[in-house]
Amino acid sequence: EVQLLESGGGLVQPGGSLRLSCAASGFSFSIYSMTWLRQAPGKGLEWVSAITDSGGKTSYAGSVKGRFTISRDNSKNTLFLQMDSLRAEDTAVYYCAKTQGYFDFWGQGTLVTVSS
Amino acid sequence: ETVMTQSPATLSVSPGERATLSCRASQSVRSNLAWYQQKPGQAPRLLIYAASTRATGIPARFSGSGSGTEYTLTISSLQSEDFAVYSCQQYYDWPRTFGQGSKLEIK
Repeated sequence: EVQLLESGGGLVQPGGSLRLSCAASGFSFSIYSMTWLRQAPGKGLEWVSAITDSGGKTSYAGSVKGRFTISRDNSKNTLFLQMDSLRAEDTAVYYCAKTQGYFDFWGQGTLVTVSS
Repeated sequence: ETVMTQSPATLSVSPGERATLSCRASQSVRSNLAWYQQKPGQAPRLLIYAASTRATGIPARFSGSGSGTEYTLTISSLQSEDFAVYSCQQYYDWPRTFGQGSKLEIK
């Protein structure tokens, strides 16, 4: 059974940093691209960042480029999202997802709140 | 960026009836189109990919169709568990983009 478990969310002040993790199990993590997505309260889904299976290529939404960094550790089946210079508009539930272009499995999400 | 537009924003349907949701892309996405279902407090669940292929475990009452810029999700006979928000997503180009979602509510 595919499982994705996000952690690392919480309350942070504007300008602060957080590092999200996504622990994967139940599939061959190292052969799949992975993606972070988010959903602001009451809003739709937003693609944030993606990384290829080897970690050799990354992509970012314009709204987070230069502030967020995606990475992965295939030896530990874990995906990361380093979020710096956080803004109020980054407040959202963050999901990691197994990726085949579309997102076939999602984690349960972790809430990030940026507020003073 | 490919803009995805869903309609209607809200659809009220009685259980047992048919529901049809639409998704329009600002440019062709060449059937690289997925549909998701999301219930309150839950993560999205993949229903359809490649415009018309049901994901594993998805009931046959869910079907997708379309090509180019116009896509449709049809639920043939609504069950109580189908009332949720449905979102389309294109994966033809970058960045990946979603529609704003259509809420299917009980009439």
